[in-house]
Amino acid sequence: AQKVTQAQTEISVVEKEDVTLDCVYETRDTTYYLFWYKQPPSGELVFLIRRNSFDEQNEISGRYSWNFQKSTSSFNFTITASQVVDSAVYFCALSEVDSSYKLIFGSGTRLLVRP
Amino acid sequence: DTGVSQDPRHKITKRGQNVTFRCDPISEHNRLYWYRQTLGQGPEFLTYFQNEAQLEKSRLLSDRFSAERPKGSFSTLEIQRTEQGDSAMYLCASSPPDRESSYEQYFGPGTRLTVT
Repeated sequence: AQKVTQAQTEISVVEKEDVTLDCVYETRDTTYYLFWYKQPPSGELVFLIRRNSFDEQNEISGRYSWNFQKSTSSFNFTITASQVVDSAVYFCALSEVDSSYKLIFGSGTRLLVRP
Repeated sequence: DTGVSQDPRHKITKRGQNVTFRCDPISEHNRLYWYRQTLGQGPEFLTYFQNEAQLEKSRLLSDRFSAERPKGSFSTLEIQRTEQGDSAMYLCASSPPDRESSYEQYFGPGTRLTVT
């Protein structure tokens, strides 16, 4: 069965600290996609990144970086030098290669960055 | 290019009433999804359309729920005989037809339903 686990319910850091959000997934498929979305207080989910199961290269985009490790079924997200505007709920999601492309979301991690 | 829009943004209704929500996807996106999000949880998949065809429905979508996408453009989600357990944020998302990009879903602002 497909499942995404985000064990960290809430994280609080002081501005400029680095923070890592954990994501562990379960799937029987060999081909799948992983995602991170950000949900700020306004409520709209914002797409951050998509990764396919064949590409284990880590990715960096500005202050954001992602570490995909198939061996541990993890897809962790690190924010370097956090800012107050990073405060939001972050969701990890999984999509298996079937006809619907539906997303299976984790329960989210609420990140609070204090000034 | 405008994003996904949803209407209304908020809806308060009494138990037993019917409600209908509308979603307008990004133009030229042929895939459209409905999700439901309750407080403190991630969104849960409800149903999926490719053009006008409804191709998948979650078991979460009880008989009181119906979704349509006439002409493959906007979509409506109707809930009949609302119950307090239906209170949630209803999210719509769309994705483009290109095979790789189809996995990237773009979400609307949601419709928050409160059933009293």
